[in-house]
Amino acid sequence: AQKVTQAQTEISVVEKEDVTLDCVYETRDTTYYLFWYKQPPSGELVFLIRRNSFDEQNEISGRYSWNFQKSTSSFNFTITASQVVDSAVYFCALSEYGQNFVFGPGTRLSVLP
Amino acid sequence: GAGVSQSPSNKVTEKGKDVELRCDPISGHTALYWYRQRLGQGLEFLIYFQGNSAPDKSGLPSDRFSAERTGESVSTLTIQRTQQEDSAVYLCASSWRLSTYEQYFGPGTRLTVT
Repeated sequence: AQKVTQAQTEISVVEKEDVTLDCVYETRDTTYYLFWYKQPPSGELVFLIRRNSFDEQNEISGRYSWNFQKSTSSFNFTITASQVVDSAVYFCALSEYGQNFVFGPGTRLSVLP
Repeated sequence: GAGVSQSPSNKVTEKGKDVELRCDPISGHTALYWYRQRLGQGLEFLIYFQGNSAPDKSGLPSDRFSAERTGESVSTLTIQRTQQEDSAVYLCASSWRLSTYEQYFGPGTRLTVT
């Protein structure tokens, strides 16, 4: 069965610090997809990244980077030089091919000025 | 084009009444999903549609909940005989195809049962 674990319930950092949000997943499939979403205080979920199980290359987008490691079933998300606008709840999600998404419980990130 | 829209944005209803929530997906998206998010909680999967077929209804909390979709467009989530524990934000999302593509979320409907 699919499962996503985000062990960090809440994280607080001071602006400009780097922060890593952990995501560990479980799946029996060899073909699957991983996602990160951001839910700012306004409430609307925003898609950040999609990764398929055959692509383990890390990705960087501005201050955001993602580290996908199949060996540890992890898909961690790092924000470099965090900003107050990064304050949000971040969800990791997993989808097996042809199946529904499973979301993790989310990590609430607070970036303090 | 436009994103996913949901209506109403807020709904206050009395316990025992029926409510209907509407979702308009992004045009061309064949997959549509409903989630429930209680205050401060994560996303609870309710149901998804591939076209107008709902192969997985396992997430519906009880038989008071039902959903339908017309073709590959509008979906409605109906809650009958609402209970206070139904109070939550109901989120709709759509994607180009089931599972392999990212979901785009609507703003949600905040349901309050008094």
